[in-house]
Amino acid sequence: NAGVTQTPKFRVLKTGQSMTLLCAQDMNHEYMYWYRQDPGMGLRLIHYSVGEGTTAKGEVPDGYNVSRLKKQNFLLGLESAAPSQTSVYFCASTFRTGEQYFGPGTRLTVT
Amino acid sequence: KQEVTQIPAALSVPEGENLVLNCSFTDSAIYNLQWFRQDPGKGLTSLLLIQSSQREQTSGRLNASLDKSSGRSTLYIAASQPGDSATYLCAVKPDSGYSTLTFGKGTMLLVSP
Repeated sequence: NAGVTQTPKFRVLKTGQSMTLLCAQDMNHEYMYWYRQDPGMGLRLIHYSVGEGTTAKGEVPDGYNVSRLKKQNFLLGLESAAPSQTSVYFCASTFRTGEQYFGPGTRLTVT
Repeated sequence: KQEVTQIPAALSVPEGENLVLNCSFTDSAIYNLQWFRQDPGKGLTSLLLIQSSQREQTSGRLNASLDKSSGRSTLYIAASQPGDSATYLCAVKPDSGYSTLTFGKGTMLLVSP
């Protein structure tokens, strides 16, 4: 039981490049989330999903897109990376009423 | 809009002390409250989950209490150890639909030997 895993762990992008972050969970959770964590700003929700095939915007969705084609996977895409998207990205999952479980994070730097 | 505040922002104590971390929230209509621990460069680890109908939860040396009506939760750590050094975050889940967690900014704890 791996819990929540994230790929990759680190990435450096140049402004304008694109990339996809992958989150996978093996707990059969319905809900999945993407957060970013920045110094002094705390954790902020980017997008979330309440089930396979559904997505919704969080607090800071601009510049990101997501997809949930399979229940166990939640993808976060950056179409044209900007330096303001330098951050640590966390994925999390949960049943509707339960504890939220987090992945180890992806450290992204955009130069 | 729900706001979650954690005080203090940082705390330094000698090993062996009992300590209390505070979390307050502005909207008492919550479904549950969760305490997390985050080590530097790592993800968040869930410590305790308190449902809105509960007053407290315990796990080992940790005890979390919830006073929903006053919008407060405390995390009590007994007999602190250097291994407890980490950032502790609380988060509340609103009692409505698909609403998501709102996090505090955390308390950074340093326990010195």
